[in-house]
Amino acid sequence: DQQVKQNSPSLSVQEGRISILNCDYTNSMFDYFLWYKKYPAEGPTFLISISSIKDKNEDGRFTVFLNKSAKHLSLHIVPSQPGDSAVYFCAASTGNDMRFGAGTRLTVKP
Amino acid sequence: NAGVMQNPRHLVRRRGQEARLRCSPMKGHSHVYWYRQLPEEGLKFMVYLQKENIIDESGMPKERFSAEFPKEGPSILRIQQVVRGDSAAYFCASSPLSMRGTRGTNYGYTFGSGTRLTVV
Repeated sequence: DQQVKQNSPSLSVQEGRISILNCDYTNSMFDYFLWYKKYPAEGPTFLISISSIKDKNEDGRFTVFLNKSAKHLSLHIVPSQPGDSAVYFCAASTGNDMRFGAGTRLTVKP
Repeated sequence: NAGVMQNPRHLVRRRGQEARLRCSPMKGHSHVYWYRQLPEEGLKFMVYLQKENIIDESGMPKERFSAEFPKEGPSILRIQQVVRGDSAAYFCASSPLSMRGTRGTNYGYTFGSGTRLTVV
């Protein structure tokens, strides 16, 4: 049962441009959404989160947008930097459970 | 100020052997979560523990897998009679709060670097 889906396994963008990573979920009970970043041979690192009562949360170059009616969230990175190259996991929580997507591998080309 | 420590980083076991994966949470954290990442897949929840208690093991396979978090010492994920399909990266995370928090709580918790289990 894949309640959190990241349909794009990979994304490649040019340095300085915007990166948009997408995530869809099916469980309307999720009330908190998070993005994690993972480098090879390391554990995931928390990046940014958003509560279901909000539709946008911004932290520096990172902004997460939540569209509850569409059960869709996205992570915008602008401007993208080569150091942003990593796998990005979307996660959703009900407070009792946290489910992760399969991840999107972002490559930012210099 | 160590983060979540997992060891070993790499573990090779022959089919039928036992694998023991250890996780020491961050100082002050009393909640531990284990996740498994199979190749080309996302992180799959396995088990959530507090000290001496298993809170949620709904993601654990019913057989061969067990987990504990004793009063003293690290959390242990134990896999008996390993099979090739157990080969994966196993991540541990810890938090000072239960995921069962109130709205406004940042549920982001801290992951360890993982143990990569290879069954040959």
